[in-house]
Order: sequence, then structure tokens, then C-alpha cells
Amino acid sequence: DQQVKQNSPSLSVQEGRISILNCDYTNSMFDYFLWYKKYPAEGPTFLISISSIKDKNEDGRFTVFLNKSAKHLSLHIVPSQPGDSAVYFCAASTGNQFYFGTGTSLTVIP
Amino acid sequence: DVKVTQSSRYLVKRTGEKVFLECVQDMDHENMFWYRQDPGLGLRLIYFSYDVKMKEKGDIPEGYSVSREKKERFSLILESASTNQTSMYLCASSIDRLYGYTFGSGTRLTVV
Repeated sequence: DQQVKQNSPSLSVQEGRISILNCDYTNSMFDYFLWYKKYPAEGPTFLISISSIKDKNEDGRFTVFLNKSAKHLSLHIVPSQPGDSAVYFCAASTGNQFYFGTGTSLTVIP
Repeated sequence: DVKVTQSSRYLVKRTGEKVFLECVQDMDHENMFWYRQDPGLGLRLIYFSYDVKMKEKGDIPEGYSVSREKKERFSLILESASTNQTSMYLCASSIDRLYGYTFGSGTRLTVV
């Protein structure tokens, strides 16, 4: 049973606009969350993280929001750039093992 | 920077063959993982290891085994390859979950 879900398989956004990628989880014991970015034929690379004691974390153009009551995580990219086109995975953990979502393919249109 | 190296980028194997996928990390990480990535299914954990000679089953271990004889090397073994094991295989290592995983570039395995 999928504990971490990304319900949008794909998303297209104009360059310069905001990209919002969503992630839902079912296990209330998850206390640490990550976003990964993956280009074709490469391994995923770490993007940004958030602990359950926070509800927001920013790193440059990337902001992750956590709503624990809704068990919902989102990644905002502002402004979006063509180089952001990739597959984005969210991941959640209670210990050393992470559970990954199914991924959202983001296309940023120049 | 931590490097996780997977020995092959692309492999084509025949049904019934025994297949070895090798993964080496160079930063003394305790934890190593094998995932497979399939469209619409995301990353699914096959096996993981928190120490030398230690292994734990993940969510989809059937048809696979692993070996960790040295800390830096974690091998995934397909005992008898089948076409449903055609996939992208990703190895990862970590020292602590706060830093997430470092992934290798992946091995695209095709079983014919």
C-alpha cells in the first residue's frame, strides 16, 4: 500500500510562473520529508528537506510547506525555469528508511 | 562530495540468467539501499543494509538477493532474471536521514 502519494503524474508551467508540486502521506509517524529531482538517465538528487517540527523551509527558489493535520506536503518553485524540467519525488521517513512517492514530471515551457 | 557508483549504465540480459548489479560508495556510509524505478510506481525498495553482512528485505524482495561483504560495496543479485525485472535500478547510500540519500546514476536493465 502506497504510504506516500503524488496524485499528479505531470505538470506544465510557463517559464517565470510558480510551479506547485503536491504530495500526500498516510503514516502519521513520518517526521522527516524530502524532495528529490531526477533527470532522465541520472539518479535522483536531493533538493530540499523539512522536519515535522516546522511547517515551511526555503532554499532560494524552492520552498517546501508541510501541513501535518492534512498529511500534505508541497514544493513551490518560484520563478520556474526551463532547467527545472525533471521528475520530482517526495519522500517521507520515520527512521533511516525513506518511502517515495510515484513522482511528478514537471515541464517548464520557455 | 559523496559518490555512489553503479558499475553499469545499461545492461541487456536473457531470461533465466543470473545478474549481478554492483554499487560502491566512497564516503564510509553505514546505510545502503537498492530501489527500482518503474513508470507510475515511483521508487520501490528492494533490499537495504545498515552494516556489513547485514541485510533487510524491503517492499519487493522477491526474485532478488543482496550481498554486503565490505562496507563500501552493496551488490544486488537477480537469481534468475525474468522479463518483469526489466527496470531502472538505483543504488543509494546515507550516513543519516537528515542528509537524505545519495543516489547512483542508475542501471537500466532489460531482460529479453
